[in-house]
Amino acid sequence: GENVEQHPSTLSVQEGDSAVIKCTYSDSASNYFPWYKQELGKGPQLIIDIRSNVGEKKDQRIAVTLNKTAKHFSLHITETQPEDSAVYFCAAALYNFNKFYFGSGTKLNVKP
Amino acid sequence: GAGVSQSPSNKVTEKGKDVELRCDPISGHTALYWYRQRLGQGLEFLIYFQGNSAPDKSGLPSDRFSAERTGESVSTLTIQRTQQEDSAVYLCASSLGSGGTDTQYFGPGTRLTVL
Repeated sequence: GENVEQHPSTLSVQEGDSAVIKCTYSDSASNYFPWYKQELGKGPQLIIDIRSNVGEKKDQRIAVTLNKTAKHFSLHITETQPEDSAVYFCAAALYNFNKFYFGSGTKLNVKP
Repeated sequence: GAGVSQSPSNKVTEKGKDVELRCDPISGHTALYWYRQRLGQGLEFLIYFQGNSAPDKSGLPSDRFSAERTGESVSTLTIQRTQQEDSAVYLCASSLGSGGTDTQYFGPGTRLTVL
Protein backbone atom coordinates (compact mmCIF):
# COMPACT_ATOMS: atom_id res chain seq x y z
CA GLY A 1 0.00 0.00 0.00
CA GLU A 2 0.87 3.67 -0.07
CA ASN A 3 3.29 5.14 2.50
CA VAL A 4 3.39 8.89 3.08
CA GLU A 5 6.20 10.49 5.05
CA GLN A 6 6.08 14.08 6.24
CA HIS A 7 8.82 16.41 7.48
CA PRO A 8 9.49 18.22 9.69
CA SER A 9 7.37 17.08 12.62
CA THR A 10 7.60 20.54 14.18
CA LEU A 11 8.39 23.89 12.61
CA SER A 12 8.78 27.22 14.30
CA VAL A 13 8.97 30.43 12.27
CA GLN A 14 8.81 34.14 12.92
CA GLU A 15 5.70 35.97 11.81
CA GLY A 16 6.17 37.14 8.23
CA ASP A 17 8.63 34.40 7.32
CA SER A 18 7.86 31.52 4.98
CA ALA A 19 7.20 27.94 6.03
CA VAL A 20 7.75 24.83 3.94
CA ILE A 21 6.48 21.34 4.75
CA LYS A 22 7.53 18.36 2.66
CA CYS A 23 5.96 14.98 1.99
CA THR A 24 7.05 11.94 0.04
CA TYR A 25 4.91 9.08 -1.17
CA SER A 26 5.72 5.59 -2.32
CA ASP A 27 2.98 4.58 -4.76
CA SER A 28 3.56 6.12 -8.20
CA ALA A 29 -0.11 5.49 -9.00
CA SER A 30 -1.22 8.12 -6.46
CA ASN A 31 -2.43 11.18 -8.30
CA TYR A 32 -4.28 13.36 -5.81
CA PHE A 33 -2.55 15.21 -2.97
CA PRO A 34 -4.57 17.29 -0.48
CA TRP A 35 -3.27 19.30 2.45
CA TYR A 36 -5.22 19.73 5.68
CA LYS A 37 -4.95 22.15 8.57
CA GLN A 38 -6.00 20.98 12.02
CA GLU A 39 -6.51 23.48 14.79
CA LEU A 40 -6.59 22.42 18.40
CA GLY A 41 -9.73 20.49 19.27
CA LYS A 42 -11.05 20.50 15.72
CA GLY A 43 -11.11 18.12 12.80
CA PRO A 44 -8.76 18.63 9.84
CA GLN A 45 -9.85 21.10 7.19
CA LEU A 46 -8.81 21.00 3.54
CA ILE A 47 -6.72 24.06 2.62
CA ILE A 48 -5.38 23.20 -0.82
CA ASP A 49 -5.01 20.21 -3.09
CA ILE A 50 -3.20 19.28 -6.28
CA ARG A 51 -3.63 16.63 -8.93
CA SER A 52 -0.78 14.97 -10.72
CA ASN A 53 -1.46 16.68 -14.02
CA VAL A 54 -0.08 19.98 -12.66
CA GLY A 55 3.18 20.83 -10.95
CA GLU A 56 2.11 23.78 -8.85
CA LYS A 57 -1.03 25.36 -7.47
CA LYS A 58 -1.39 28.61 -5.60
CA ASP A 59 -4.09 30.15 -3.44
CA GLN A 60 -3.16 33.50 -1.94
CA ARG A 61 -0.40 32.84 0.63
CA ILE A 62 -0.51 29.08 0.19
CA ALA A 63 1.05 27.06 -2.61
CA VAL A 64 1.66 23.39 -3.24
CA THR A 65 4.28 21.94 -5.56
CA LEU A 66 4.46 18.40 -6.88
CA ASN A 67 7.39 16.47 -8.32
CA LYS A 68 5.98 13.24 -9.73
CA THR A 69 9.35 11.87 -10.76
CA ALA A 70 10.77 12.21 -7.27
CA LYS A 71 7.41 11.40 -5.66
CA HIS A 72 7.37 14.35 -3.34
CA PHE A 73 5.15 17.35 -2.80
CA SER A 74 5.45 20.40 -0.61
CA LEU A 75 3.29 23.02 1.06
CA HIS A 76 4.56 26.59 1.05
CA ILE A 77 3.07 29.28 3.27
CA THR A 78 4.35 32.80 2.72
CA GLU A 79 4.04 35.81 5.02
CA THR A 80 3.07 33.58 7.91
CA GLN A 81 0.68 34.88 10.55
CA PRO A 82 0.02 33.67 14.10
CA GLU A 83 -3.32 32.24 12.97
CA ASP A 84 -1.42 29.88 10.66
CA SER A 85 -0.26 28.06 13.80
CA ALA A 86 -1.78 24.57 13.63
CA VAL A 87 -0.95 21.00 12.66
CA TYR A 88 -0.72 20.42 8.92
CA PHE A 89 -1.24 17.03 7.28
CA CYS A 90 -0.46 15.94 3.76
CA ALA A 91 -2.22 13.03 2.12
CA ALA A 92 -2.02 10.95 -1.03
CA ALA A 93 -4.84 9.19 -2.83
CA LEU A 94 -5.67 7.53 -6.08
CA TYR A 95 -8.21 9.65 -7.92
CA ASN A 96 -11.62 7.92 -8.10
CA PHE A 97 -10.63 5.73 -5.19
CA ASN A 98 -11.59 7.44 -1.99
CA LYS A 99 -8.93 5.94 0.26
CA PHE A 100 -6.52 8.53 1.63
CA TYR A 101 -3.10 7.94 3.16
CA PHE A 102 -2.03 10.66 5.57
CA GLY A 103 1.37 11.88 6.69
CA SER A 104 2.17 12.07 10.39
CA GLY A 105 1.63 15.83 10.60
CA THR A 106 3.70 18.98 11.11
CA LYS A 107 3.08 21.25 14.05
CA LEU A 108 3.65 24.80 12.82
CA ASN A 109 4.22 27.53 15.37
CA VAL A 110 4.28 31.11 14.10
CA LYS A 111 5.84 33.42 16.66
CA PRO A 112 4.52 36.97 16.73
CA GLY B 1 -25.35 24.50 6.83
CA ALA B 2 -24.50 22.04 9.55
CA GLY B 3 -21.18 20.27 9.35
CA VAL B 4 -20.23 16.78 10.42
CA SER B 5 -21.09 16.18 14.05
CA GLN B 6 -19.78 13.50 16.36
CA SER B 7 -20.82 12.33 19.78
CA PRO B 8 -19.75 12.07 22.45
CA SER B 9 -16.93 14.60 22.28
CA ASN B 10 -15.11 12.79 25.07
CA LYS B 11 -15.44 9.25 26.34
CA VAL B 12 -13.62 7.70 29.27
CA THR B 13 -14.08 3.98 29.74
CA GLU B 14 -12.54 1.10 31.60
CA LYS B 15 -10.52 -1.57 29.89
CA GLY B 16 -12.73 -4.39 28.68
CA LYS B 17 -15.88 -2.31 28.23
CA ASP B 18 -17.58 -1.73 24.89
CA VAL B 19 -17.97 1.77 23.45
CA GLU B 20 -20.08 3.19 20.66
CA LEU B 21 -19.16 6.36 18.82
CA ARG B 22 -21.59 8.23 16.61
CA CYS B 23 -21.18 10.30 13.46
CA ASP B 24 -23.76 12.45 11.72
CA PRO B 25 -22.50 13.35 8.24
CA ILE B 26 -23.44 16.37 6.19
CA SER B 27 -26.85 15.89 4.64
CA GLY B 28 -26.59 14.58 1.09
CA HIS B 29 -23.09 13.19 1.50
CA THR B 30 -23.05 9.58 0.40
CA ALA B 31 -19.47 8.82 1.43
CA LEU B 32 -18.42 8.46 5.07
CA TYR B 33 -15.04 7.66 6.61
CA TRP B 34 -13.73 6.78 10.03
CA TYR B 35 -10.14 7.52 11.05
CA ARG B 36 -8.14 7.02 14.21
CA GLN B 37 -5.64 9.65 15.35
CA ARG B 38 -3.27 8.66 18.11
CA LEU B 39 -1.61 11.42 20.09
CA GLY B 40 0.88 13.31 17.95
CA GLN B 41 0.34 11.07 14.97
CA GLY B 42 -1.38 11.22 11.62
CA LEU B 43 -4.74 9.90 10.60
CA GLU B 44 -5.12 6.15 10.30
CA PHE B 45 -7.86 5.00 7.92
CA LEU B 46 -10.35 2.60 9.52
CA ILE B 47 -13.39 2.16 7.28
CA TYR B 48 -15.16 3.78 4.34
CA PHE B 49 -18.85 3.69 3.37
CA GLN B 50 -20.10 4.70 -0.07
CA GLY B 51 -23.84 4.67 -0.64
CA ASN B 52 -25.23 1.15 -0.65
CA SER B 53 -21.95 -0.49 -1.63
CA ALA B 54 -20.19 -2.90 0.69
CA PRO B 55 -17.96 -0.86 3.03
CA ASP B 56 -14.18 -0.91 2.72
CA LYS B 57 -13.16 -2.34 6.10
CA SER B 58 -9.52 -2.85 5.24
CA GLY B 59 -8.30 -0.40 7.89
CA LEU B 60 -10.02 -1.93 10.91
CA PRO B 61 -7.19 -3.02 13.24
CA SER B 62 -8.92 -6.03 14.77
CA ASP B 63 -12.24 -7.83 14.95
CA ARG B 64 -13.04 -5.82 18.08
CA PHE B 65 -13.74 -2.89 15.78
CA SER B 66 -16.92 -2.67 13.69
CA ALA B 67 -18.97 0.06 12.09
CA GLU B 68 -22.42 0.42 10.66
CA ARG B 69 -24.17 3.03 8.63
CA THR B 70 -27.89 3.51 8.30
CA GLY B 71 -28.58 4.27 4.66
CA GLU B 72 -26.76 7.48 3.83
CA SER B 73 -26.99 9.01 7.28
CA VAL B 74 -25.76 8.20 10.75
CA SER B 75 -22.82 5.88 11.34
CA THR B 76 -21.69 4.21 14.54
CA LEU B 77 -18.23 2.85 15.28
CA THR B 78 -18.21 0.17 17.95
CA ILE B 79 -15.14 -0.99 19.83
CA GLN B 80 -15.64 -4.12 21.90
CA ARG B 81 -13.55 -5.11 24.89
CA THR B 82 -11.58 -1.88 24.76
CA GLN B 83 -7.84 -1.92 25.35
CA GLN B 84 -5.58 0.91 26.48
CA GLU B 85 -4.03 1.09 23.01
CA ASP B 86 -7.47 2.04 21.67
CA SER B 87 -7.08 5.43 23.36
CA ALA B 88 -7.11 8.01 20.56
CA VAL B 89 -9.24 10.60 18.84
CA TYR B 90 -11.68 9.00 16.41
CA LEU B 91 -12.51 11.24 13.49
CA CYS B 92 -15.38 10.93 11.08
CA ALA B 93 -15.49 12.60 7.67
CA SER B 94 -18.07 12.76 4.91
CA SER B 95 -17.95 13.73 1.27
CA LEU B 96 -20.34 14.01 -1.64
CA GLY B 97 -19.24 10.68 -3.07
CA SER B 98 -20.09 11.89 -6.53
CA GLY B 99 -17.02 10.37 -8.08
CA GLY B 100 -13.48 11.57 -8.37
CA THR B 101 -11.83 12.42 -5.09
CA ASP B 102 -14.24 14.67 -3.27
CA THR B 103 -13.31 17.00 -0.45
CA GLN B 104 -13.67 15.31 2.93
CA TYR B 105 -15.29 17.34 5.67
CA PHE B 106 -14.23 16.27 9.12
CA GLY B 107 -16.09 16.29 12.38
CA PRO B 108 -14.45 17.48 15.62
CA GLY B 109 -13.72 13.93 16.71
CA THR B 110 -14.38 11.82 19.79
CA ARG B 111 -11.55 11.59 22.26
CA LEU B 112 -11.54 8.07 23.71
CA THR B 113 -9.58 7.31 26.86
CA VAL B 114 -9.35 3.72 28.04
CA LEU B 115 -8.19 3.42 31.62
